[in-house]
Amino acid sequence: KAGVTQTPRYLIKTRGQQVTLSCSPISGHRSVSWYQQTPGQGLQFLFEYFSETQRNKGNFPGRFSGRQFSNSRSEMNVSTLELGDSALYLCASSLEPGQAINTGELFFGEGSRLTVL
Amino acid sequence: AQKITQTQPGMFVQEKEAVTLDCTYDTSDPSYGLFWYKQPSSGEMIFLIYQGSYDQQNATEGRYSLNFQKARKSANLVISASQLGDSAMYFCAMRGVYGGATNKLIFGTGTLLAVQP
Repeated sequence: KAGVTQTPRYLIKTRGQQVTLSCSPISGHRSVSWYQQTPGQGLQFLFEYFSETQRNKGNFPGRFSGRQFSNSRSEMNVSTLELGDSALYLCASSLEPGQAINTGELFFGEGSRLTVL
Repeated sequence: AQKITQTQPGMFVQEKEAVTLDCTYDTSDPSYGLFWYKQPSSGEMIFLIYQGSYDQQNATEGRYSLNFQKARKSANLVISASQLGDSAMYFCAMRGVYGGATNKLIFGTGTLLAVQP
C-alpha cells in the first residue's frame, strides 16, 4: 500500500513568486491536512480538507490556500512568497476527520522542502 | 489552550541501551490522543505510537512503548535496545476533541536523539 506522496520534494523560488505543492493521500484516505515546519516556529497546522471542503484552518495569512479534489488529492498554494515561507511543508492523511483521535491513524508524507531566495 | 512540552533538546544513548524521551502536555479536553513521530534527516514524519486518553493500558509497538501517566499529564516514549537507525528527531503531539472532528495536531519542539555505537 503506497504511502502519502508529496511533490515536488524540493523547490527553489524567489520572493514574490507563487508555488503549488501537491499531496496524494494513502489510498482510501479522504482527509488531508497540511503542516509547515520551520526551525523557528516548529511544526504548525495550516489547514485540513475533507470531501473537497476545508474543515479547519490554522493561523496563517491569506497568501496560504489549498484545495482538495474529488479523488482526495490536495494542493496547497502560497502566493507572493516571502523569505519566511522557506520551510518543509508536510501533508498528512487519514480515513476521516477525527480519525486520528480514535485510532491514531494519521500518516505523513516526506514533505516538500521550499527555499525562497 | 493545548500545549506539548519536550524539555530535552538533545540526547545521547549507547547502542543497545534503552532511552526515555520526555513529553508533558496540557489540555482541558476530556478526551484526547497522544502521538509520537520520528523524523529522520530526510524529513518524513514516521508514526511510531499512539495513546488514547481513555486507554487502560500503555501503548506498545515493537521496541517502542509509551509510559502514559494521566494524572501527571506525561506521555514519555521509551525505546528499548536502541539501534543506530534510531538517530533522528522525535516529536510528541496531541489532538483533542474540542473543535469537532479534525486531525489538527499540536506538536512539541522535538528531541534530537543520537545513538552512539
